[in-house]
Amino acid sequence: FMLTQPHSVSESPGKTVTISCTGSSGNIASNYVQWYQQRPGSAPTTVIYEDNQRPSGVPDRFSGSLDSSSNSASLTISGLTTEDEADYYCQSYDSTNHCVFGGGTKLTVL
Amino acid sequence: QLQLQESGPGLVKPSETLSLTCTVSGGSIISGTYYWGWIRQPPGKGLEWIGRVYYSGSTYYNPSLKSRVTISADTSKNQFSLKLNSVTAADTAVYYCARRSGGNLDPWGRGTLVTVSS
Repeated sequence: FMLTQPHSVSESPGKTVTISCTGSSGNIASNYVQWYQQRPGSAPTTVIYEDNQRPSGVPDRFSGSLDSSSNSASLTISGLTTEDEADYYCQSYDSTNHCVFGGGTKLTVL
Repeated sequence: QLQLQESGPGLVKPSETLSLTCTVSGGSIISGTYYWGWIRQPPGKGLEWIGRVYYSGSTYYNPSLKSRVTISADTSKNQFSLKLNSVTAADTAVYYCARRSGGNLDPWGRGTLVTVSS
């Protein structure tokens, strides 16, 4: 089981960007999907857990969703700021409960 | 506030064993709710799950690393540890420890760079 993300995305400040995470098999809705933000030189932090839940302290500009028809999850960030520039990783579990990460997406805000 | 801190040698020779410890503060690893895990990130690359341990000692490993990995918990010290044997340059990475709550990995330690080189 693999999770596939676009290598990079870019968008302008104030705009909205969506990052996809596609499951290679099965039903992506079978296990929760998490999204992590990683800034250079720092550890990842959670921006979305359990598909669409935001931890306290994460702005409501961040949202998560699932699309069963495409077996994918998405992270949407609205009102982009330069502070959102980072790598984003999706994460879930396979059918045997092994943790799986997507390859990561580099978000550039320019 | 729960905090995790990785510690261990930053340089390991090829074919030897990499050993790291994660010290948990601000909470106990003895919890029926949480698992404790290790993740690594080679320089410039993505995240790879290594495995996790429950406070009772039960473990679960990434199949690709299972033959070389041992993760254990020491409840008396509120720590858990990683051992990876027969290391090569491909094991050079930043190693993170993290708590698993439900499906979420949070919080993470700051990470420690381990370089495999003679």
